[in-house]
Amino acid sequence: NAGVMQNPRHLVRRRGQEARLRCSPMKGHSHVYWYRQLPEEGLKFMVYLQKENIIDESGMPKERFSAEFPKEGPSILRIQQVVRGDSAAYFCASSPPGPNEKLFFGSGTQLSVL
Amino acid sequence: LAKTTQPISMDSYEGQEVNITCSHNNIATNDYITWYQQFPSQGPRFIIQGYKTKVTNEVASLFIPADRKSSTLSLPRVSLSDTAVYYCLVGPNQAGTALIFGKGTTLSVSS
Repeated sequence: NAGVMQNPRHLVRRRGQEARLRCSPMKGHSHVYWYRQLPEEGLKFMVYLQKENIIDESGMPKERFSAEFPKEGPSILRIQQVVRGDSAAYFCASSPPGPNEKLFFGSGTQLSVL
Repeated sequence: LAKTTQPISMDSYEGQEVNITCSHNNIATNDYITWYQQFPSQGPRFIIQGYKTKVTNEVASLFIPADRKSSTLSLPRVSLSDTAVYYCLVGPNQAGTALIFGKGTTLSVSS
């Protein structure tokens, strides 16, 4: 059973471009979470999704950021018109359905905005 | 969600036992306590979870007093490879709630 797969591992974008980060959850997991981590800081929750539904997006910036978890395929975190402040590590985690399930994290995508 | 407070950093030497305490004064009745470990450039990894008293697995022990307002992660005989950031999380026992990470405790193990 493969773990949570994130790609790309590293992504370089120029200011104003779009960034698309992909996350394939573990098999059987229907819950996906996205977190952002700035250097020397803890993880900041962004969004929690189930298949075809956004459950909690309270940590997501209101503009330029969007997330989806379609019925088929990976979850996508999309950042439009990136700025230098978007440079960070973005981690995806998945969990099976049900209460109190632990999170399994991917290795993250390091986004660098030039 | 209950707020957690833990030391920003701790230092230890190889072979010692390390105890990291987390305060969660506003813990709710249905909240569980979970600890994660994170190495540089990697995603966090689940270590241990408990509700009350003591839980032990092959990696660590978790001590939770009767009032559940704090918890202590105990790492026996640490090695250099235990150098990492350790996060204490408190969350309800229900689906649909995102777990919130704090800044964690940076543990540095020296030889």
